Amino acid sequence: EAGVAQSPRYKIIEKRQSVAFWCNPISGHATLYWYQQILGQGPKLLIQFQNNGVVDDSQLPKDRFSAERLKGVDSTLKIQPAKLEDSAVYLCASSLVSMTGPRGTEAFFGQGTRLTVV
Amino acid sequence: GQSLEQPSEVTAVEGAIVQINCTYQTSGFYGLSWYQQHDGGAPTFLSYNALDGLEETGRFSSFLSRSDSYGYLLLQELQMKDSASYFCAPPGDKIIFGKGTRLHILP
Repeated sequence: EAGVAQSPRYKIIEKRQSVAFWCNPISGHATLYWYQQILGQGPKLLIQFQNNGVVDDSQLPKDRFSAERLKGVDSTLKIQPAKLEDSAVYLCASSLVSMTGPRGTEAFFGQGTRLTVV
Repeated sequence: GQSLEQPSEVTAVEGAIVQINCTYQTSGFYGLSWYQQHDGGAPTFLSYNALDGLEETGRFSSFLSRSDSYGYLLLQELQMKDSASYFCAPPGDKIIFGKGTRLHILP
């Protein structure tokens, strides 16, 4: 079974530039998550999709970050304009059903995109 | 609100047993998950406790006490490859990860 695919693996940009990350979840997984992980910290949820609808984006800095999930499959996360503090690893994860709720489920993470803003 | 507490670092000797504790406050609590993350790698799922008690999977066991809002991950027969960060993640209304516990293993 193919895992969660993310690209690019690494990206270096200057502050105020824009950047986009792409994620292809595991086939059939309805739920997709984007996390930001700053060095030394745990993953912070930015946005959660259920199919192509947003379930939770309360921690997404909407003045500069945007995300969409096309046709309930692939997803892109964009930052425009980038700031120095956006330097982090951006992780995409997917699960068969939402991790929230009584069933509990395993989330599969991609290898992430390491973003450096200079 | 939601909060998680884990020790920031734990050190143990190869072959020993180590316990990583997790206390939490969440809304809509449904159980407790554990994830492992090696440096530079992606988090990988270890276990999920839906009910109170101990779940065993090979060298790893996970315990949950919902009345105490407490759980732990028990790693036995430690190997050098177990050096990683470990995160508890209570799947409540929102999924949150704390800062995790960095496990150092000494030869």
